[in-house]
Amino acid sequence: AQKVTQAQTEISVVEKEDVTLDCVYETRDTTYYLFWYKQPPSGELVFLIRRNSFDEQNEISGRYSWNFQKSTSSFNFTITASQVVDSAVYFCALSEGLAGANSKLTFGKGITLSVRP
Amino acid sequence: GAVVSQHPSRVICKSGTSVKIECRSLDFQATTMFWYRQFPKQSLMLMATSNEGSKATYEQGVEKDKFLINHASLTLSTLTVTSAHPEDSSFYICSAREWASGDRSYEQYFGPGTRLTVT
Repeated sequence: AQKVTQAQTEISVVEKEDVTLDCVYETRDTTYYLFWYKQPPSGELVFLIRRNSFDEQNEISGRYSWNFQKSTSSFNFTITASQVVDSAVYFCALSEGLAGANSKLTFGKGITLSVRP
Repeated sequence: GAVVSQHPSRVICKSGTSVKIECRSLDFQATTMFWYRQFPKQSLMLMATSNEGSKATYEQGVEKDKFLINHASLTLSTLTVTSAHPEDSSFYICSAREWASGDRSYEQYFGPGTRLTVT
């Protein structure tokens, strides 16, 4: 069975600080996908990144970066120079298998990030 | 990116009535649609998976007679909460998956959610 653990529940930082959101996953499959989503107060999920299990390259997109480490089953997300607009709940998610049409997306419990001015 | 719409965005109903929530993929055909439920300050919990023209597959613990799902076309799925009770009050989110056969992969898009309040 697949599982996603986001041990941090709430994080509060001051604007311009860097912050890392942790994600640890469990799966028996060798092929899987990992995701990060942002959920602002409006409730709509915003897709941030998808990474497949064969691609361990770290990725940077503007102020966002992701560190995928299969050895520790982690897929951590760092926001550099945080801004108030980054305040939201962030979910890490996992989908097992070859991403078949019905493969399920399992979400972690989410991390509430508050960025203070 | 592709867009998934949900209607209504908010609904308040009285206990005992039924409520229908629509989920549409606006610019793509969704091979699979998913329905999630989210309680305040909690994660998304998958309720059911549906494919066009076939019966939905419900997750363990989800009452199929209470949460009726119809996936009539490749762009429309509906969730009907029958005989709603206050404990059914929640944020319901649909998601539509577009299969990219060339990549043997998919893109999954989420709707904006429907906030249901049962009084």
